[in-house]
Amino acid sequence: AQSVTQLDSHVSVSEGTPVLLRCNYSSSYSPSLFWYVQHPNKGLQLLLKYTSAATLVKGINGFEAEFKKSETSFHLTKPSAHMSDAAEYFCVVSETSGTYKYIFGTGTRLKVLA
Amino acid sequence: KAGVTQTPRYLIKTRGQQVTLSCSPISGHRSVSWYQQTPGQGLQFLFEYFSETQRNKGNFPGRFSGRQFSNSRSEMNVSTLELGDSALYLCASSGGTTDTQYFGPGTRLTVL
Repeated sequence: AQSVTQLDSHVSVSEGTPVLLRCNYSSSYSPSLFWYVQHPNKGLQLLLKYTSAATLVKGINGFEAEFKKSETSFHLTKPSAHMSDAAEYFCVVSETSGTYKYIFGTGTRLKVLA
Repeated sequence: KAGVTQTPRYLIKTRGQQVTLSCSPISGHRSVSWYQQTPGQGLQFLFEYFSETQRNKGNFPGRFSGRQFSNSRSEMNVSTLELGDSALYLCASSGGTTDTQYFGPGTRLTVL
C-alpha cells in the first residue's frame, strides 16, 4: 500500500531564508508525486509534479523538489522564503495501479517571520 | 481555461438534513474526485467518477453518495447530516491521460 509521511507538522523560517519541507513516501509502483499548497480558506494549488522524467522538479513560485528513490524522499525546497509563502503544504502520492487515487500527507504548515 | 468551480461556497445545515454539493470540472476533464478536509482527519478521499461511473471509493458511510452527469459535472450528496460532517469539501478534476488533479475552491459545510 502506498503512503506519505510529512515529517514536520509546522515549520517556521525567516523571510529571505531557505525553506525545506520534508516528505517520505512508500509505494509499490513507480509513483507519481506531487506538492500542493493551500492558503487559508482556499482550495489546493499544484506546485509541482514528479513523474520520472527528471529527479529534480521545478515548480511555480520558485519551489523545487528532488526525488530520491534510495531515500524514498521528495522534499520541497525554496532558496528564499517570502511572506506570501505562508500556507499549508501537502505532499501527495498517486496510485497508478489502474485508477488514479491520491494519498495525502498530513500537511506542513509553513510560517514565515518578518 | 476556466478552473474547477464548486457551488455553493458556504452552507449551513442542521443535523438530520441532507445536502447536495456541485462541482464543474475543467473543460475536457472526465474524472472528478471528491475529498473531505477536516482539522482532525486531514484530507480524505471520498470517491472518484469517470465518464459517469464511480471508479474508486474511499471509506465513508453510505450516507455519502455522488454522481456524474454526461457533461462531467458532478454532485455529491450527504444524507442525514451529522455534526462530524462539518468540513471543507473539495472537488478535483483531471484529464483522461494524466493523474494530475486540479482542485476547486471547496464548499465549506457547517452542520449545527
